[in-house]
Amino acid sequence: EAGVTQFPSHSVIEKGQTVTLRCDPISGHDNLYWYRRVMGKEIKFLLHFVKESKQDESGMPNNRFLAERTGGTYSTLKVQPAELEDSGVYFCASAYRGLNEQFFGPGTRLTVL
Amino acid sequence: AQSVTQPDIHITVSEGASLELRCNYSYGATPYLFWYVQSPGQGLQLLLKYFSGDTLVQGIKGFEAEFKRSQSSFNLRKPSVHWSDAAEYFCAVAFISNFGNEKLTFGTGTRLTIIP
Repeated sequence: EAGVTQFPSHSVIEKGQTVTLRCDPISGHDNLYWYRRVMGKEIKFLLHFVKESKQDESGMPNNRFLAERTGGTYSTLKVQPAELEDSGVYFCASAYRGLNEQFFGPGTRLTVL
Repeated sequence: AQSVTQPDIHITVSEGASLELRCNYSYGATPYLFWYVQSPGQGLQLLLKYFSGDTLVQGIKGFEAEFKRSQSSFNLRKPSVHWSDAAEYFCAVAFISNFGNEKLTFGTGTRLTIIP
């Protein structure tokens, strides 16, 4: 069974540009989470989808971040326009039911210059 | 508010020596606790978890952790480390948000270096 995959693995963009990160969860997992780790700090929750619905987006930093999960399968996280402080590693995780079965992807390292 | 503290940013241990990584949490209710490991280029892998029951939890790769409610701690241990254990380790606590969903709060991580 394939694990959680994320694309791209690395992205380097300039301030003001747009970047879209993609996460493909494990097939059949209704729960999908996005987290972010800014360098040297803790991994922080961004948002949680249940199927295609946003259950909790309280961790989204601001309205430059837009997450979607059309059809309840893969999810995208768009940053527009990107700022320097958006640099970090963005993790996606999926779960069939709840956190006791949560699986993480390898992350996307975003660098904003 | 819930929080997780990993007081050691970086630990260096000789191969074959024992290891203990510290984790303290702050959470008003009974915690669900996790330890994850991230090896270079890899995602976060679950080492072990505590939900209830026996306070000594066994995980993968020979790791164990002990939940001590009186100390609000969930320290990770391994009796003899291997060079392949070099990685970053994260402690996390799960809680129920105001939206009724579960999510994780992580510590800042402890980077483990193994020397021959």
